[in-house]
Amino acid sequence: DAGVTQSPTHLIKTRGQQVTLRCSPKSGHDTVSWYQQALGQGPQFIFQYYEEEERQRGNFPDRFSGHQYPNYSSELNVNALLLGDSALYLCASSFNSYNSPLHFGNGTRLTVT
Amino acid sequence: EDQVTQSPEALRLQEGESSSLNCSYTVSGLRGLFWYRQDPGKGPEFLFTLYSAGEEKEKERLKATLTKKESFLHITAPKPEDSATYLCAVQANYGQNFVFGPGTRLSVLP
Repeated sequence: DAGVTQSPTHLIKTRGQQVTLRCSPKSGHDTVSWYQQALGQGPQFIFQYYEEEERQRGNFPDRFSGHQYPNYSSELNVNALLLGDSALYLCASSFNSYNSPLHFGNGTRLTVT
Repeated sequence: EDQVTQSPEALRLQEGESSSLNCSYTVSGLRGLFWYRQDPGKGPEFLFTLYSAGEEKEKERLKATLTKKESFLHITAPKPEDSATYLCAVQANYGQNFVFGPGTRLSVLP
């Protein structure tokens, strides 16, 4: 039973560029959430997708956008990259049910130079 | 605003030396409190969900408890393989997102 898979594992981009990160949820899960984790910090909520729509958004600028496909996979797009966007980006999947825990992938390490 | 704090920031134990990690939270209506373990370079791994004050959950050497304002993760007779960062998160009744604390970095020395 495959867990949450993310690609790529590492990425180096230049300030001002755009990046797309990809996520396949755990089998059976229909909800995907994205989190940003800075070094030494806990994950920060970016947004959640369910039924191909953004259901809730955290305190992140519009440069961060996403998409969910009919097969429940998801993408995170970040435009006009800033040095401060350097972080571990985590995708988490869950059931659309009360108290369903998040199951995380191993993340994409993004470095902006 | 929902908030989660964790203490201590870092903890070093000798193998077999039991201890507890603390998670204090402020949330407008708790839907659930979640404990995760995160190894370096990996994503968080789900450990427990606690729903209401007085509830306890156990898994091997770990036991999580919950009160109305905080949760404790008790580690009994830890082994070096228990070394990791332990994250606590809360989910409020009104939202879908999880609010995470900064974590406690645990090192268990042989």
